[in-house]
Amino acid sequence: NAGVMQNPRHLVRRRGQEARLRCSPMKGHSHVYWYRQLPEEGLKFMVYLQKENIIDESGMPKERFSAEFPKEGPSILRIQQVVRGDSAAYFCASSPRGLRPNTEAFFGQGTRLTVV
Amino acid sequence: KNEVEQSPQNLTAQEGEFITINCSYSVGISALHWLQQHPGGGIVSLFMLSSGKKKHGRLIATINIQEKHSSLHITASHPRDSAVYICAVRGPGNQFYFGTGTSLTVIP
Repeated sequence: NAGVMQNPRHLVRRRGQEARLRCSPMKGHSHVYWYRQLPEEGLKFMVYLQKENIIDESGMPKERFSAEFPKEGPSILRIQQVVRGDSAAYFCASSPRGLRPNTEAFFGQGTRLTVV
Repeated sequence: KNEVEQSPQNLTAQEGEFITINCSYSVGISALHWLQQHPGGGIVSLFMLSSGKKKHGRLIATINIQEKHSSLHITASHPRDSAVYICAVRGPGNQFYFGTGTSLTVIP
């Protein structure tokens, strides 16, 4: 049973380009969470998705960022017109259900985005 | 003020030493996670706790819900334990709040 898979592991984009980060949750998991880790900072929540639904996007920047988790395929975090400040590690986690006591979330290896 | 505070921020230990990392939080939680992040690597979930104590090998995690405090202990530390250890709490609405991490270096 593969863990949470994120790709690519490393992504380099020029300012103004689009970045697409993918997260394939663990088999049987229908809940996905995205987090951002800026250099020298801790992890910050961005968005929580269930299949075809955004449950909580309170941590997402209002502009240029969007996320989806379609019925088929991985969850996608999309950053349009990237700027240098978007350079960070982006992690996703998945869980089989909404997080309640005794429900564990599993983390992916992260995608390191560098904007040049 | 962060919802989750960890201490110490940095820790250097000699191989074999007993290590304790502390985590205090200010929000109501349904669970607390201890995570491990290696340099350049991803994040591994070590423990999920909602009460009491858990043990995996040389790692022990405890939580005191009343005091809103958790500790991660490493017995007989080893250089391969060198990593950043992150405390994360699951608050209302299923969001995670993360500590800024404790960077541990174990010297042979």
